[in-house]
Amino acid sequence: EVQLVESGGGLIQPGRSLRLSCAASGFTFIDYAMHWVRQAPGKGLEWVSGLSWNSGDIAYADSVKGRFTISRDNAKNSLYLQMHSLRAEDTALYYCAKGPAYDILTGYGYFDYWGQGTQVTVSS
Amino acid sequence: DIVMTQSPDSLAVSLGERATINCKSSQSVLNSPNNKNYLAWYQQKPGQPPKVLIYWASTRESGVPDRFSGSGSGTDFTLTISSLQAEDVAVYYCQQYYSIPFTFGPGTKVDIK
Repeated sequence: EVQLVESGGGLIQPGRSLRLSCAASGFTFIDYAMHWVRQAPGKGLEWVSGLSWNSGDIAYADSVKGRFTISRDNAKNSLYLQMHSLRAEDTALYYCAKGPAYDILTGYGYFDYWGQGTQVTVSS
Repeated sequence: DIVMTQSPDSLAVSLGERATINCKSSQSVLNSPNNKNYLAWYQQKPGQPPKVLIYWASTRESGVPDRFSGSGSGTDFTLTISSLQAEDVAVYYCQQYYSIPFTFGPGTKVDIK
């Protein structure tokens, strides 16, 4: 059974940094692209970032480019999101999501499994 | 960026009746070389993460009931629930994965009339 368990969220002041983690199990992690998708309270879904199986292809939404860094450790079956210079508008539930294939650039940019999410609240 | 729109914002349908949700993209998401539309549909129930229902615009994900179907091509797409069940109450999102940034529609809330 595929499981994605996010952690690292919390209440953080504007301008500070936070690192989210996602522990994956139930599938061969190294074979798949991974993504972060967020959902502000009561709002819709926003793709944040994604990376291919070997981190060779990485992409970000413009809203986080230059502030967030996605990474993965295939030996630890883990995905990360390092977030800097956090803003109030980054407040959201952050989901870790699995892609259906190894790449993000060949038409496989949908998400076939999702974690339960970790809440990030940016407020003074 | 490709902008996704959905209509209606919400709808209420009687149990056993058909529900139809429309999704439109600001540019075509049809990849001509393989004739595939890079469009997915998700269902999100309250307090739960989204769940993929349909990808390639019309391919049903494994385990998804066959009352869910997707259609359309290019810029106009439809998700149809042929016979609404109580457990189908949710918000439904379309998403394009033709180009980065991947973008979602604003969602359509489906309730029971």
